[in-house]
Amino acid sequence: SAVISQKPSRDICQRGTSLTIQCQVDSQVTMMFWYRQQPGQSLTLIATANQGSEATYESGFVIDKFPISRPNLTFSTLTVSNMSPEDSSIYLCSVVGDRANTEAFFGQGTRLTVV
Amino acid sequence: AQKVTQAQTEISVVEKEDVTLDCVYETRDTTYYLFWYKQPPSGELVFLIRRNSFDEQNEISGRYSWNFQKSTSSFNFTITASQVVDSAVYFCADTGGFKTIFGAGTRLFVKA
Repeated sequence: SAVISQKPSRDICQRGTSLTIQCQVDSQVTMMFWYRQQPGQSLTLIATANQGSEATYESGFVIDKFPISRPNLTFSTLTVSNMSPEDSSIYLCSVVGDRANTEAFFGQGTRLTVV
Repeated sequence: AQKVTQAQTEISVVEKEDVTLDCVYETRDTTYYLFWYKQPPSGELVFLIRRNSFDEQNEISGRYSWNFQKSTSSFNFTITASQVVDSAVYFCADTGGFKTIFGAGTRLFVKA
């Protein structure tokens, strides 16, 4: 299993500003994932963060809007840039084990409100 | 490509009723992994069950059971004798290439 800490747990931000969300895992993991959960919706994968290489973004998400850093095997950040009210969501960090059939572990999420 | 479909948006049952949540998956992989997660009102995601594509048997774990049918690409989840605390959103998910893709979720209301 993995314990994931996310900071901040919530924030209210002004439109046009940026917020950086931190994700710390208690063990080294190869891949970390960032998800967005809009109100009342499912989880949508934003990108996969690999240490030592650029993140891989899913369709509909771009690096300029959601830059990701992965400086080591236990830490990652997601920045939500130039925010608008449509960015109001819960953002979750996730990891999986090194075997393909292991479940995903999630941070408690960052609840972002853009005003 | 991975895709998971949960056609049921909301289900409402009375406590002690059995309830089945439907999930249909699409994948080109010969080996794949299916999961069910629960998200209670508090928001955290809770892993419930896992199924590998090469497992043959369906299983029961406490009040939870699941029915995996390759012929219909379905991975349905049943809660027996539902309780109010089962009220949550339930997500079916597919993990391929280590990334997890979620279905739209089914919101379950269990009334006392």
